[in-house]
Amino acid sequence: EPEVTQTPSHQVTQMGQEVILRCVPISNHLYFYWYRQILGQKVEFLVSFYNNEISEKSEIFDDQFSVERPDGSNFTLKIRSTKLEDSAMYFCASSEARGTEAFFGQGTRLTVV
Amino acid sequence: KNQVEQSPQSLIILEGKNCTLQCNYTVSPFSNLRWYKQDTGRGPVSLTIMTFSENTKSNGRYTATLDADTKQSSLHITASQLSDSASYICVVLAYNTDKLIFGTGTRLQVFP
Repeated sequence: EPEVTQTPSHQVTQMGQEVILRCVPISNHLYFYWYRQILGQKVEFLVSFYNNEISEKSEIFDDQFSVERPDGSNFTLKIRSTKLEDSAMYFCASSEARGTEAFFGQGTRLTVV
Repeated sequence: KNQVEQSPQSLIILEGKNCTLQCNYTVSPFSNLRWYKQDTGRGPVSLTIMTFSENTKSNGRYTATLDADTKQSSLHITASQLSDSASYICVVLAYNTDKLIFGTGTRLQVFP
């Protein structure tokens, strides 16, 4: 069964460093998303991406964040200068079309020290 | 403000018993309502997805209901199994947006 895969599963980084989280969405899906979940809190929307551009973003997704689809398979989230409060589980998701079922990856646990 | 509230926060039941989880939302208008299962440290897995015109939808031992008038949904789990221990999250997609709005979840523990 097709699935969304994310790498790495865990990432520890020093405050101020740049990190890139990687995702391979399901191959025939057209919409891609990043969500995050701070420990003990609800899952929060960061950004959606369609047709090689951001279609929607939340207030959390400030200038420190960027997304890219560098080739036909990968979808990345970059955090330019990490802060302690960026520590969270980051989930990538994809869907065939807007509003249809979203399939989530297993997440990347980011710890900023 | 668009919100999704769930109750109870946590629930403990014995294996083989049934349970019902509740969801209230203020998102309006909305496109669809979903229930996800999330194991600790893992990504959410979709159980059901319902549009505003659907009242009930089943997926195996999971049955979701939706009352769009009162803005309430429930998830009923029949004949619980140990593997049902997880968080169950109610999620609403608002109309004309890509953003899924997650509830805080109900943490279910099934004991033998």
